[in-house]
Amino acid sequence: GQQLNQSPQSMFIQEGEDVSMNCTSSSIFNTWLWYKQDPGEGPVLLIALYKAGELTSNGRLTAQFGITRKDSFLNISASIPSDVGIYFCAGPLGGSEKLVFGKGMKLTVNP
Amino acid sequence: SAVISQKPSRDICQRGTSLTIQCQVDSQVTMMFWYRQQPGQSLTLIATANQGSEATYESGFVIDKFPISRPNLTFSTLTVSNMSPEDSSIYLCSVEDPGSLYGYTFGSGTRLTVV
Repeated sequence: GQQLNQSPQSMFIQEGEDVSMNCTSSSIFNTWLWYKQDPGEGPVLLIALYKAGELTSNGRLTAQFGITRKDSFLNISASIPSDVGIYFCAGPLGGSEKLVFGKGMKLTVNP
Repeated sequence: SAVISQKPSRDICQRGTSLTIQCQVDSQVTMMFWYRQQPGQSLTLIATANQGSEATYESGFVIDKFPISRPNLTFSTLTVSNMSPEDSSIYLCSVEDPGSLYGYTFGSGTRLTVV
């Protein structure tokens, strides 16, 4: 089935540093979603991307929908301790309402 | 956006028993989804629950193991039957939510440990 390849799997950074992560697929997606999951919680949507080439920001977060529609990246600038968590990319399967998720990236921010 | 209440938040169960997880939404929604998140892993869709019809299961998941109810537009249950330690996971419900940024909101999950 369709899979989203997310990298890196984990990152350890110092507070104030920027971090980037990306997601690729062998299939075309019409929507890319980026979620964050805190311990003991469900995923919370950070950014949604709807068309190829789109660049969208949400505070310190910036995400882009790749031109080929097979990839997306998320960048967090000037990280703070509360950025700690697991970040997932996701997209709807073949135009359906079902979401497929990447494996996630665990972010650790050292104060 | 929709607010989801998922119960229980966590449980420790004996192997061979069953656990029913409840998902209550504060508004009527057409589609509800159940996901499993195994330890350190991503989310995998178990099934889609629609009111008035049987749930649609994804490959690798069967109704006998994960029976689902959807009695109305605000409520659904997922039962994990005849549990084994391999069923230890976080189980999450999600709803199609036109009020949210994209359309999908997640509950806070049920952390299940089978001993």
